[in-house]
Amino acid sequence: GQNIDQPTEMTATEGAIVQINCTYQTSGFNGLFWYQQHAGEAPTFLSYNVLDGLEEKGRFSSFLSRSKGYSYLLLKELQMKDSASYLCAVMDSNYQLIWGAGTKLIIKP
Amino acid sequence: DGGITQSPKYLFRKEGQNVTLSCEQNLNHDAMYWYRQDPGQGLRLIYYSQIVNDFQKGDIAEGYSVSREKKESFPLTVTSAQKNPTAFYLCASKTPGPHTGELFFGEGSRLTVL
Repeated sequence: GQNIDQPTEMTATEGAIVQINCTYQTSGFNGLFWYQQHAGEAPTFLSYNVLDGLEEKGRFSSFLSRSKGYSYLLLKELQMKDSASYLCAVMDSNYQLIWGAGTKLIIKP
Repeated sequence: DGGITQSPKYLFRKEGQNVTLSCEQNLNHDAMYWYRQDPGQGLRLIYYSQIVNDFQKGDIAEGYSVSREKKESFPLTVTSAQKNPTAFYLCASKTPGPHTGELFFGEGSRLTVL
């Protein structure tokens, strides 16, 4: 079966750095996505990785290793507004998105 | 501004009633999707449509129905056959082509069965 694993919850301090991991086992691979979702709101797109390596976009970076079935989202200089759930999703061989359950990130002052 | 509009935002239903959730987009996207989100679970695909007058079942289509008569509109009906309909429902659209995976989501509709 297809499976996406991410930690359920993480806590970090304002101004610090946090890394949210995602491991996957899917039927084929056509890219990995990270979305941010604030409580009660819709997910918003953060990043897309299809090749191995690090993609940097401001305070957020996303890394992919296809051989290991592994990705992480790195958030730097954490702000209180970064408190949200972070969803990892993989596009499989049929170009359908398989979603992880999300990681709830709690930022403390 | 372009975007996706879902309505209603909150909906209460009695058991045995059908309800329809609206989804309208003005992004000129061909593909539209309906997802269900439950606590502690990933988004699950209910139905999707790649083009007008065509749609396919997702992983959890039982108890749901859709139509795609216009490019802009993709309403979802939650029927009385859906045994556990209380959930957060998300509509999304994306640009065509398999390599353009970024989804644009509506604000969601929270359905509660009383």
